[in-house]
Amino acid sequence: DIQMTQSPSSVSASVGDRVTITCRATQHVHIWLAWYQQKPGKAPNLLIYAASSLQSGVPSRFSGSGGGTDFTLTISNLQPDDFASYYCQQTYIFPHTFGGGTKVEIK
Amino acid sequence: EVELVESGGGLGQPGGSLRLSCAASGFLFSTYNMNWMRQVPGKGLEWLSYISPASDTVHYADSVKGRFTISRDNAKNSLYLQMNSLRDEDTAIYYCTRDVRGSGTYFSDYWGQGTLVTVSS
Repeated sequence: DIQMTQSPSSVSASVGDRVTITCRATQHVHIWLAWYQQKPGKAPNLLIYAASSLQSGVPSRFSGSGGGTDFTLTISNLQPDDFASYYCQQTYIFPHTFGGGTKVEIK
Repeated sequence: EVELVESGGGLGQPGGSLRLSCAASGFLFSTYNMNWMRQVPGKGLEWLSYISPASDTVHYADSVKGRFTISRDNAKNSLYLQMNSLRDEDTAIYYCTRDVRGSGTYFSDYWGQGTLVTVSS
């Protein structure tokens, strides 16, 4: 199975900061990588698909990059609504594994 | 508007069974791949199972293979997860998701609100 490793597991940041979350796969997944945001008590919400494509309705301060085994989610100009957990998922090979998650907390 | 509504969660006995359902609306259900995911409260996400539109292709995570069965009824716009031989570690929130194709890849664009399954004697 492909293992997805996210880092950091948590990050403390302030409104207006730039936050970068990385996701590394143990095998090449090309660009079959999605990023999700999850708030407490809610279902995950799709942010980025195909590594760098912004889902409709998602603010442009979210961006994704990478390919192969290394991927990045960047949140520019962090807003109060962005304090949440973030997960990457590869959908290249079954099982479609998730990263362990990154919690973005208020500093 | 796309909507996925899970039901069937609740208390299950170790070694027992539960059947989850996911009612889909707002899209042509019969043409979409579907998945089940789960999340232990306070922990990370786990992909569980996948089914193709015609039910001719299914996949399972090793953690549920041989115990859980995914199925669908396109006439009823419904997805199911039959959960047998329940274990304590199956306690989680279960989500159904819809897969779509974009930029040459597949990904889950809609998730239900989830249904909580608790396995305990």
